[in-house]
Amino acid sequence: EVQLVESGGGLVQPGGSLRLSCAASGFTFSSYAMYWVRQAPGKGLEWVSGISGGGGSTYYADSVKGRFTISRDNSRNTLDLQMNSLRAEDTAVYYCAKGFGITVAYNIDYWGQGTLVTVSS
Amino acid sequence: QSALTQPASVSGSPGQSITISCTGTSSDVGGYNYVSWYQQHPGKAPKLMIYDVTKRPSGVSNRFSGSKSGNTASLTISGLQAEDEADYYCSSYTSSSTWVFGGGTKLTVL
Repeated sequence: EVQLVESGGGLVQPGGSLRLSCAASGFTFSSYAMYWVRQAPGKGLEWVSGISGGGGSTYYADSVKGRFTISRDNSRNTLDLQMNSLRAEDTAVYYCAKGFGITVAYNIDYWGQGTLVTVSS
Repeated sequence: QSALTQPASVSGSPGQSITISCTGTSSDVGGYNYVSWYQQHPGKAPKLMIYDVTKRPSGVSNRFSGSKSGNTASLTISGLQAEDEADYYCSSYTSSSTWVFGGGTKLTVL
């Protein structure tokens, strides 16, 4: 059974940093692209970032480019999102998600339960 | 990376069929057969209902079907049931090697 468990969310001041992690199990982690998707309170889904199975290719939404960094450790089956220069508009539930295949050209098929990030003074 | 366009809400009675549209551009929906649909109940994580425009994951009811014409994809739910009431989001791969979601559609079963 695929399991994705996010951690690291919390309250942070504007301009601050936070690192989210996702622990994956139930599948061969290195064979699948992974993603972060967020959802602001009462709003829709927003794709944030994606990384290929090997970790060599990373992609970002314009809204977070230059501020967020996605990475993965295939030896530990973990996915991370380093978030810097946080803004109020980054407040959201952040979901870790698994792709169908090894490149980011594949759809998301499984989602974690999400972790809440609140950016406020 | 503009969001795909979905109607804010749709409704139908039990047993009826409804269709939710998802309009993009030739750089996303129209350019790739990589359109997905997700169902999200309040307070829950999204669930994949349709992928690659028309394919259904195992375990998803065959009452759910997908299609695409030009820059617009559609999700059809037939034989509406009370449990189908949820938010639905489309998603498409883009020419920038990113993904984009629609704004979401709230389905009400009357």
